[in-house]
Amino acid sequence: AQSVTQLDSQVPVFEEAPVELRCNYSSSVSVYLFWYVQYPNQGLQLLLKYLSGSTLVKGINGFEAEFNKSQTSFHLRKPSVHISDTAEYFCAVPSGSRLTFGEGTQLTVNP
Amino acid sequence: DGGITQSPKYLFRKEGQNVTLSCEQNLNHDAMYWYRQDPGQGLRLIYYSQIVNDFQKGDIAEGYSVSREKKESFPLTVTSAQKNPTAFYLCASSGTSGGGSYEQYFGPGTRLTVT
Repeated sequence: AQSVTQLDSQVPVFEEAPVELRCNYSSSVSVYLFWYVQYPNQGLQLLLKYLSGSTLVKGINGFEAEFNKSQTSFHLRKPSVHISDTAEYFCAVPSGSRLTFGEGTQLTVNP
Repeated sequence: DGGITQSPKYLFRKEGQNVTLSCEQNLNHDAMYWYRQDPGQGLRLIYYSQIVNDFQKGDIAEGYSVSREKKESFPLTVTSAQKNPTAFYLCASSGTSGGGSYEQYFGPGTRLTVT
């Protein structure tokens, strides 16, 4: 079964600073990968996905992620964060007929 | 607009009572899922269904039951056998073709409090 590991449970940053949220997946075979965002008391919203093709994937809200097969990573980045980016971020990978989610990374953007 | 609706947003029950959470989707998706989320924790899969009249247990099915009589509806019943039912419950759905079929669309969630 596929799995993902989110390496940081909490990431505090200052507004306008760059941020990277790290995700590693368990297999080096071809995979599909997803990043979701969850704002407080809301459901999850898809940020971006890698299915095939270009390894640099651009998503909503200025986020992007790079699929790195040799390092089995799919790290999420944003060059300049805003207060409104404060949320929990989940990396996910298909495993059988379901999605397996990481434990989540709480991003807190401070003024 | 297509999407997933969960109702109600907040639900309060007394211990020992069964309670049913609603989930409806108009995305014409075949697959539907129920997750439980506790504070500071990730998502744990309770049940999922890939087709009408069929469903499978997830990782934490004990104390829960589901039905899938219609494609657009996947209600979850939290029974009195569930030891710690207070949590945030999320419903999701996905299509069933190609790599993009794994993409799940989520509802807004129901926060259940049992006292």
